[in-house]
Amino acid sequence: NAGVTQTPKFRVLKTGQSMTLLCAQDMNHEYMYWYRQDPGMGLRLIHYSVGEGTTAKGEVPDGYNVSRLKKQNFLLGLESAAPSQTSVYFCASRRGSGGPHSYNEQFFGPGTRLTVL
Amino acid sequence: AQRVTQPEKLLSVFKGAPVELKCNYSYSGSPELFWYVQYSRQRLQLLLRHISRESIKGFTADLNKGETSFHLKKPFAQEEDSAMYYCALSGPFSGGSNYKLTFGKGTLLTVNP
Repeated sequence: NAGVTQTPKFRVLKTGQSMTLLCAQDMNHEYMYWYRQDPGMGLRLIHYSVGEGTTAKGEVPDGYNVSRLKKQNFLLGLESAAPSQTSVYFCASRRGSGGPHSYNEQFFGPGTRLTVL
Repeated sequence: AQRVTQPEKLLSVFKGAPVELKCNYSYSGSPELFWYVQYSRQRLQLLLRHISRESIKGFTADLNKGETSFHLKKPFAQEEDSAMYYCALSGPFSGGSNYKLTFGKGTLLTVNP
């Protein structure tokens, strides 16, 4: 199993450009998440999904949109990139609820390093 | 509101010395606590969870509900322990609010030779 994969690994954008980050998981997980990681700020939740076709806002959703059309994919979109969105973006997934405690573990992707000039 | 505080941004110790990474939390109820580790330029991975009461790579962490703490400890640090460590919290497993993790800001541990 590849686990959680993210595409692309690196990207440089100019202010105002748009792009989509792709997250894919092959573990049949119900829940998926997008975080951003900034120095001194830890990980902050952008959006998440508790199942195919559902999305919800996290802690810092402004400037981002997401879609979960297929269970295995979770897309993060930036419609008009801003320098403040320069960050490392991590996707994560986990099983749904109702199972053993091991279901609580989130599995992370390798990250996408985005620079907005 | 739930919150996780890691008071130390940086922690530097020598190889073989004991290490303790502090984590305090605020949550109205019985949360689940986790420690995640991120080695240089790698993805985050779960190190341990309080519910398992396990020791991973020599690390242990005990949940102290009275002090609302979940400090990570290792008696003898190794150079390969150098990494960023994140404490995280979720709602109780049996409840309906355990699908989100709240992370602390992280502590960068450096183990010097």
